[in-house]
Amino acid sequence: DTEVTQTPKHLVMGMTNKKSLKCEQHMGHRAMYWYKQKAKKPPELMFVYSYEKLSINESVPSRFSPECPNSSLLNLHLHALQPEDSALYLCASSRYKEEGPYEQYFGPGTRLTVT
Amino acid sequence: SQKIEQNSEALNIQEGKTATLTCNYTNYSPAYLQWYRQDPGRGPVFLLLIRENEKEKRKERLKVTFDTTLKQSLFHITASQPADSATYLCALDMTQNAGNMLTFGGGTRLMVKP
Repeated sequence: DTEVTQTPKHLVMGMTNKKSLKCEQHMGHRAMYWYKQKAKKPPELMFVYSYEKLSINESVPSRFSPECPNSSLLNLHLHALQPEDSALYLCASSRYKEEGPYEQYFGPGTRLTVT
Repeated sequence: SQKIEQNSEALNIQEGKTATLTCNYTNYSPAYLQWYRQDPGRGPVFLLLIRENEKEKRKERLKVTFDTTLKQSLFHITASQPADSATYLCALDMTQNAGNMLTFGGGTRLMVKP
């Protein structure tokens, strides 16, 4: 199984709402990632988790809060977002870098609209 | 800071021709460079990875070259087909201890016309 799943596919939320994005993989990957992608732009790295610990935070505002409950799951908690946060949020996973460079497997993304 | 540029935002070619996409970077050379394909509304899909000590890598109709002197990678699709139409992203591995930290170029949207 080389699939990364993300739920929900689409999400519309108001600026005062709290919501969560979920990501799951069963490939035994120990590195997981959140990316943000605006229309006609490349994905931008937000967070990296390695062995369930947050290892990289690319200066993301605190209204985005990641969580890695176990090696298969990755969540992104959203609170008090702004309209400019509307984007496609992509989750990815890969084997851990210490053993060599590895490709990343991406999920289909969650299309988020903040109203 | 590292800058990655893909020279063409869009590239139109005729079916059967070879598509050549360019990825240029500034500053230091990455240890690895990866190419991904992305279809509209979907996540990127990995295509090829090339190391700094490799000049060329092939996979079926795809070929990637890596020139650390020119700070450039070329991505070729031979005998192109309409199904190859997509956005192609190059990504530099920024080499961190924790996971692969990929920085993507802006992408080239390839359109193969029948």
